[in-house]
Amino acid sequence: KQEVTQIPAALSVPEGENLVLNCSFTDSAIYNLQWFRQDPGKGLTSLLLIQSSQREQTSGRLNASLDKSSGRSTLYIAASQPGDSATYLCAVNNNNDMRFGAGTRLTVKP
Amino acid sequence: GAVVSQHPSRVICKSGTSVKIECRSLDFQATTMFWYRQFPKQSLMLMATSNEGSKATYEQGVEKDKFLINHASLTLSTLTVTSAHPEDSSFYICSGGKDGTNTEAFFGQGTRLTVV
Repeated sequence: KQEVTQIPAALSVPEGENLVLNCSFTDSAIYNLQWFRQDPGKGLTSLLLIQSSQREQTSGRLNASLDKSSGRSTLYIAASQPGDSATYLCAVNNNNDMRFGAGTRLTVKP
Repeated sequence: GAVVSQHPSRVICKSGTSVKIECRSLDFQATTMFWYRQFPKQSLMLMATSNEGSKATYEQGVEKDKFLINHASLTLSTLTVTSAHPEDSSFYICSGGKDGTNTEAFFGQGTRLTVV
């Protein structure tokens, strides 16, 4: 059974810093991995999707990497802003079975 | 991206009553939809996989008679929480994929259920 772990559980940084969120998974036979953002009491906003054959995806200040063989993905956020404050979830897709990590709660202080 | 619409966004109901949550794919056909539950400060947990025209597949520990899932068309899946109890209070969210397996998942806005 796939297990997804996210480190750290919480992170607080000053505005402008670059930061990295980590996601690890136990079963490397995945179809894809997706990073989401969740604001308090809200649904999920998809940030980046990485297919199993890809190594990274970029969108604006966000860059996600995937190392399937080692079961790891990172989400890099450049020049963080207070508006980036949210919980970031990674989800791993194994053949119609999507498993989520517990999330990293990010706070960017002005 | 594709759009999944979920209603209602919030609902408060009395213990013992039933609540229906709708999940619609607005611009694509979802052969498979997924229902998740999220308790406060925890991650999303898959409850069941809903397949159009057939019975849903429930995760271990999820009562199928309590959480009724119907997926009668390619654009609509419903989750009915029957005989709701306060411990059913949670955030419920659905997602759909265009072809069900290795595509990007699109999520509804979620439903905050409070049972009083």
